[in-house]
Amino acid sequence: NAGVTQTPKFQVLKTGQSMTLQCAQDMNHEYMSWYRQDPGMGLRLIHYSVGAGITDQGEVPNGYNVSRSTTEDFPLRLLSAAPSQTSVYFCASRNSDNLYGYTFGSGTRLTVV
Amino acid sequence: DAKTTQPTSMDCAEGRAANLPCNHSTISGNEYVYWYRQIHSQGPQYIIHGLKNNETNEMASLIITEDRKSSTLILPHATLRDTAVYYCIVHTGGFKTIFGAGTRLFVKA
Repeated sequence: NAGVTQTPKFQVLKTGQSMTLQCAQDMNHEYMSWYRQDPGMGLRLIHYSVGAGITDQGEVPNGYNVSRSTTEDFPLRLLSAAPSQTSVYFCASRNSDNLYGYTFGSGTRLTVV
Repeated sequence: DAKTTQPTSMDCAEGRAANLPCNHSTISGNEYVYWYRQIHSQGPQYIIHGLKNNETNEMASLIITEDRKSSTLILPHATLRDTAVYYCIVHTGGFKTIFGAGTRLFVKA
């Protein structure tokens, strides 16, 4: 049982480049979310999904796209990277009954230069 | 979902109980109180949650006031490994779960 797996763990991008952060969970959780965490700050919700084919925006969605073609996967795409997107990105998932809260991945540290 | 207020930071001596408060005065009847913690740069970890009754598990106890406007997370015997940021979240179990800045707990030897 791997839980929530995020890849890559570290990434450096140049301004204007695009990339996809991968997130996969093997717990058959309906809900999945992406958060970003800037140094010394709390987590901010980027996008979330309540099931395959259904996504919606969080607090800070600009510059990011998501899709949910399967229950297991919820990739986050950076369309044109900017230095302001330098952050640690966390993916999380949970069941609809929310008995044990969210399970988080270990994070992707992204630096945009 | 209701907004929560937590102290920015707290200290606790190793071996003593750590009591972390959370104010959620606008909580509504169907909203649960959840606690998570984040150790260093790891992903947050679920600790405990409750609706109106006090709850206890192997990690902590959660005390919710009778009017449900505040709660306290209790780590009964804090260790150095409990040094972390603790997040108090109130929500109905809906889709948009918002994390605030949390409380940074320092456990000192």
